[in-house]
Amino acid sequence: AQSVTQLGSHVSVSEGALVLLRCNYSSSVPPYLFWYVQYPNQGLQLLLKYTSAATLVKGINGFEAEFKKSETSFHLTKPSAHMSDAAEYFCAVSEGGYQKVTFGIGTKLQVIP
Amino acid sequence: DGGITQSPKYLFRKEGQNVTLSCEQNLNHDAMYWYRQDPGQGLRLIYYSQIVNDFQKGDIAEGYSVSREKKESFPLTVTSAQKNPTAFYLCASRFRQGNTGELFFGEGSRLTVL
Repeated sequence: AQSVTQLGSHVSVSEGALVLLRCNYSSSVPPYLFWYVQYPNQGLQLLLKYTSAATLVKGINGFEAEFKKSETSFHLTKPSAHMSDAAEYFCAVSEGGYQKVTFGIGTKLQVIP
Repeated sequence: DGGITQSPKYLFRKEGQNVTLSCEQNLNHDAMYWYRQDPGQGLRLIYYSQIVNDFQKGDIAEGYSVSREKKESFPLTVTSAQKNPTAFYLCASRFRQGNTGELFFGEGSRLTVL
């Protein structure tokens, strides 16, 4: 069975500081991994996805994530936080095709001016 | 533009009433999904459908019902049997096979039981 663990339900950073949101996964086969962002009262928007093409994945809004098989991790980073990055972020795992997508519980990012 | 449309955005219901949430997509996706979102619990799968006229229960199907009569549409009914229906409901879709499993989401519907 696949699973996702997001460490830290709330993360606060200062504007301009590094953003690091942690995600560890468990999967019985090589996984597909995703990061989604959700703004209040809106749906989820895909930030980036890992599909085995490259371990370092670049997404929208300056975010990137690195797939580390040995650590079963897929942490999300951004070098410099912007106020508009304040949102909730979800890590998700899938075994591809029509297989189930499993979501983490989410991490709320607060950006302090 | 292609996308997923959920309606209504906000809905209020009295206890004991059934309510139906609409989800329509024009992405030509085969599979459609309903998730429930509660604070601190992430997304939980209610029902999903891989093809027309077929659907399966997810992790928390009790008190909910769905239909899939058209490829584009996957309405969710929250019945009076659902004990705690106040939540944010998200509809999603994707291609069934030959893809990475990426889901596309609607804007959500917030249901409040008075």
